[in-house]
Amino acid sequence: GENVEQHPSTLSVQEGDSAVIKCTYSDSASNYFPWYKQELGKRPQLIIDIRSNVGEKKDQRIAVTLNKTAKHFSLHITETQPEDSAVYFCAASPPLTGTASKLTFGTGTRLQVTL
Amino acid sequence: DAGVIQSPRHEVTEMGQEVTLRCKPISGHDYLFWYRQTMMRGLELLIYFNNNVPIDDSGMPEDRFSAKMPNASFSTLKIQPSEPRDSAVYFCASSTGVLSYEQYFGPGTRLTVT
Repeated sequence: GENVEQHPSTLSVQEGDSAVIKCTYSDSASNYFPWYKQELGKRPQLIIDIRSNVGEKKDQRIAVTLNKTAKHFSLHITETQPEDSAVYFCAASPPLTGTASKLTFGTGTRLQVTL
Repeated sequence: DAGVIQSPRHEVTEMGQEVTLRCKPISGHDYLFWYRQTMMRGLELLIYFNNNVPIDDSGMPEDRFSAKMPNASFSTLKIQPSEPRDSAVYFCASSTGVLSYEQYFGPGTRLTVT
C-alpha cells in the first residue's frame, strides 16, 4: 500500500517568514495530494490540494508543488502569521475507481509561528 | 448543513467496557470514513463505507473493533472490550466521493480508557 513520509515533524518560524513542509509518497499510481490543517483540539480541515496533472497550485499565501518523477510534494506558506500555527498533514490517494479515495496521511508537521 | 456530527465528544470508560461512538455524515455524502488519531501513530484510517457498505476495513486493529452503517445518515464504531491502548481521538469523515476527493471531518470523540 501507499506510504507517505513527512518532514519536518516540527517547524518554528518567525512571523512574516516562509515555511516549507515536504512529503514523499511511494505509490506511483497516486494522483491526488491534499493538505489538511489541524488546529489544537480541532478537526483536520482541507486547505489546498493538487492533482497529478499539474505541477503547482497557489491559493493566496499557500502553494503546493508536485514532482511526480521524484514522488514528492511540498506545502509552501509565505508571510506566515500566528494563526498559521497548527499541525499540517499531507496525504496521498490513488485514482478514484468507482470508490472513494483512500487517503494515506503523513505523520504531521507542527508549525509554530512566533512573534 | 451542520457538517459531520459525532457523539459523544468525550468518553471515559473503564477497561473491559463496551464503547460505542456515533457519526452522522453530511447529507448527500455517499462515503463515510472512521479514523483514529494518536500521537504515536498519527491519523489512521480504520474503515470506510460507500453507500452504507463497508469497502475497506483493513485498518481495523482487531476483532474488538466493529463498525456498522445501517443507513445513509448514521454509523457506529464499537469497541468491545475496550483497552487502555484504545485511548485516542476518533474522527468520522464523509465525502461525496465521485464528485470530490475532499473529506469533511467531524469534531472527533476523545476516548479515554482507564
